[in-house]
Amino acid sequence: DAKTTQPPSMDCAEGRAANLPCNHSTISGNEYVYWYRQIHSQGPQYIIHGLKNNETNEMASLIITEDRKSSTLILPHATLRDTAVYYCIVSTFATGANSKLTFGKGITLSVRP
Amino acid sequence: DVKVTQSSRYLVKRTGEKVFLECVQDMDHENMFWYRQDPGLGLRLIYFSYDVKMKEKGDIPEGYSVSREKKERFSLILESASTNQTSMYLCASAPTVWTGSTYTQYFGPGTRLTVL
Repeated sequence: DAKTTQPPSMDCAEGRAANLPCNHSTISGNEYVYWYRQIHSQGPQYIIHGLKNNETNEMASLIITEDRKSSTLILPHATLRDTAVYYCIVSTFATGANSKLTFGKGITLSVRP
Repeated sequence: DVKVTQSSRYLVKRTGEKVFLECVQDMDHENMFWYRQDPGLGLRLIYFSYDVKMKEKGDIPEGYSVSREKKERFSLILESASTNQTSMYLCASAPTVWTGSTYTQYFGPGTRLTVL
């Protein structure tokens, strides 16, 4: 079972910031938070990850609460091409087949013109 | 950037046929994965390989086999295709990591296989 909870869907207007929430209340100290997205009929795409500090890259920002029980992925200026299913995953070091990623249902982001 | 390619985007096969799905990555990653994705079931791991000629079964290996003769190439084989193997197949690769390191998988575009 996935260790994260996300709302099923949300939408935002093109050009505005999209804030995607994720709850991971049972996260352990050595688990990272990862975000992937999957555009329709394509493979999942890595976006960003973090442990406890906020992170930013060219795609997005990741804000992790101080208690690490929740996080928010921020797309600062959403475009129509950002319409996708976004997956929040918690994961730690593992070997072999246990290093597989477990994707939950994700949140469907719809960016409207 | 890491690039993972899969041999076909769409494939239609008949029941009983032997099917080969190929995956190639260009980043010298040790680890490669085959998943299938079905509506409502998420991604499920079929097989994993951590080195040339090495493999481990995932959660749903029945009806599948794999081959990894070269580091960059990981093949999924359906020995005798059945209709319940109609699915989206996703290949991924990842570098070897160590305790305390992060772990990122890079996915190919997927192959949508239909078995008639």
